[in-house]
Amino acid sequence: RKEVEQDPGPFNVPEGATVAFNCTYSNSASQSFFWYRQDCRKEPKLLMSVYSSGNEDGRFTAQLNRASQYISLLIRDSKLSDSATYLCVVKNTGYALNFGKGTSLLVTP
Amino acid sequence: DTGVSQNPRHKITKRGQNVTFRCDPISEHNRLYWYRQTLGQGPEFLTYFQNEAQLEKSRLLSDRFSAERPKGSFSTLEIQRTEQGDSAMYLCASSDNFRTEYQETQYFGPGTRLLVL
Repeated sequence: RKEVEQDPGPFNVPEGATVAFNCTYSNSASQSFFWYRQDCRKEPKLLMSVYSSGNEDGRFTAQLNRASQYISLLIRDSKLSDSATYLCVVKNTGYALNFGKGTSLLVTP
Repeated sequence: DTGVSQNPRHKITKRGQNVTFRCDPISEHNRLYWYRQTLGQGPEFLTYFQNEAQLEKSRLLSDRFSAERPKGSFSTLEIQRTEQGDSAMYLCASSDNFRTEYQETQYFGPGTRLLVL
């Protein structure tokens, strides 16, 4: 079983829609959590860190449920430019980032 | 451009050849990472440097792989006797040491795309 599991999608949504991605992780000792965004054939870029209390950045909201070991990302009012792969990332002890396979999002006009 | 840079951006080689990739981290970032990403997968951690010291190595880093960061600045990743299974995107990332390992942000370079024929 992979340490970080995501539904690969693709999620096809119309502009303006709200879409949610979930991610589960297997190591209960995991310390830090992130969502990265990766455009086609580009490098991953940090979208947001995920805190236990939940956090919001504009149209993006991330939440962490430690008891159930899952992380979510909510995107409101989807834009065409949100089309990308969203990577769920977990860090245990040490410095390595553990990535999920990513969830593909396509926002259509 | 003050981001992480990687060279070459693309490399095509024949099976059995050796290849070397270079990563230049963001200036003054003393942490440097190598990851590998294959199609349809997320990046997988290979190794980590704190300045010139290689402090973590993944089991993915077989004997054919070696990474160096001799002066604590740029790093090289060499693959000897390449195999078709080595075909992947090799990503480098860097971060500074002003935050703890749990708070740091890793900034990725554009990657080197390797194809082994």
